[in-house]
Formats: sequence, C-alpha cells, structure tokens
Amino acid sequence: RKEVEQDPGPFNVPEGATVAFNCTYSNSASQSFFWYRQDCRKEPKLLMSVYSSGNEDGRFTAQLNRASQYISLLIRDSKLSDSATYLCVVNRGSYIPTFGRGTSLIVHP
Amino acid sequence: GAVVSQHPSWVICKSGTSVKIECRSLDFQATTMFWYRQFPKQSLMLMATSNEGSKATYEQGVEKDKFLINHASLTLSTLTVTSAHPEDSSFYICSARLAGGGTATGELFFGEGSRLTVL
Repeated sequence: RKEVEQDPGPFNVPEGATVAFNCTYSNSASQSFFWYRQDCRKEPKLLMSVYSSGNEDGRFTAQLNRASQYISLLIRDSKLSDSATYLCVVNRGSYIPTFGRGTSLIVHP
Repeated sequence: GAVVSQHPSWVICKSGTSVKIECRSLDFQATTMFWYRQFPKQSLMLMATSNEGSKATYEQGVEKDKFLINHASLTLSTLTVTSAHPEDSSFYICSARLAGGGTATGELFFGEGSRLTVL
C-alpha cells in the first residue's frame, strides 16, 4: 500500500460547483498534513495546512480524520482558475514530507 | 513568502555526461532541503533529504553514487546527476524548510524545478 493515496481524477466540474477530494495515508504516526496546488509544469505551492479540528480558508475547507486516516479538501463555488492538480502531503516521522500523486481538477464554463 | 531559486530550469545533455542542479534559498536559511523527482502524471517522489553540513539521507532505491547531493551552506544545495542516461530524464525539484522552528507546521518552499532531458 502506498504511503499516501489519492484518486488521480480528473474531476471535471462546471463553474460554481462544489467538489471534494480525499486522500488516505498509511502511517498512523503521521504528524502533519497539507494540501498543495500544482499547475502544469510548475512547482507546487501551499494551499493550506490541515488541522485536527478542520479549517477553512475562503472557499476551501480541509478536514482530518485520524481514526480513518484520511484528509479531505472541499472547494465551494469552483472557479476556472481552480483548475490544477491538488497534492496531498503527509509528514511522516522526522517531518519528511510525502506526496500523493495528486488529483486533477478541471473546472469548465 | 520565502523564495527558493533553482537553476537551470531546462537542461539537455548527452548520455554519459553529468549535470549539476543548484537550489538556493534566497531570503532564509534552510538546514534541510529535499530533492524530488517527478515523472509525467506521477507524484513527486522523494529522492533524498539534504542536511547542511552532513551527508544526505537517500530514499530506498535511489543510488547515492549516481545522484550526488551536497549541502555545503544554509542557502545552497546541489544535486549532480552523474553519467546521465535517457531514463534519468525527468523533472527534478527541490524544496526547503525554514531553519529553526516551524518543522511541525512544515510549510515547504519549492524551487521552480529543473527539466532534464538526456539524449
């Protein structure tokens, strides 16, 4: 089993839709969790950290479920500019970041 | 946010030659840098963790004699792909964390990546 697993998609949604991605991790001792966004042929950039109590940043909501070992990202009111690959990152022991393969999102008019 | 500069952005080389990629933290000190490789439509695969002043820690399956990593200062880490072959063609990307506190929160700052093509 991979350390961090994501559905690669693509998720193809219309503007204004709500879309959710999940990411599962295998190491129960994982320390911290993040969502990064990567545009085509570009470097990843931090979208948001994921806190135990869940957190929201504008249209984006992140949740952590330690019992089931997954994190989620919810995007409300999707914009065309949200089209990208969303990478789940889990810090395992010694805070080594491990990336999922990413979930591709395509928002169309 | 913090800036990480990676150079070169693109490199094309002949099989058998060596290629050096530089990763610099421009406005902060980075005790730890990470080197990743990304094949098309694949995730970033961690190759090694580079610690300033000590030997890099390589992930399983990554040949340390082929991918030489040097982290001589708090602002510079280099990756040298030795005797490159076509199968080494990939997108190589470095990332860094701020030195000192913040490892628990752990935001990574990425270089722009280096696209290597070996003919």
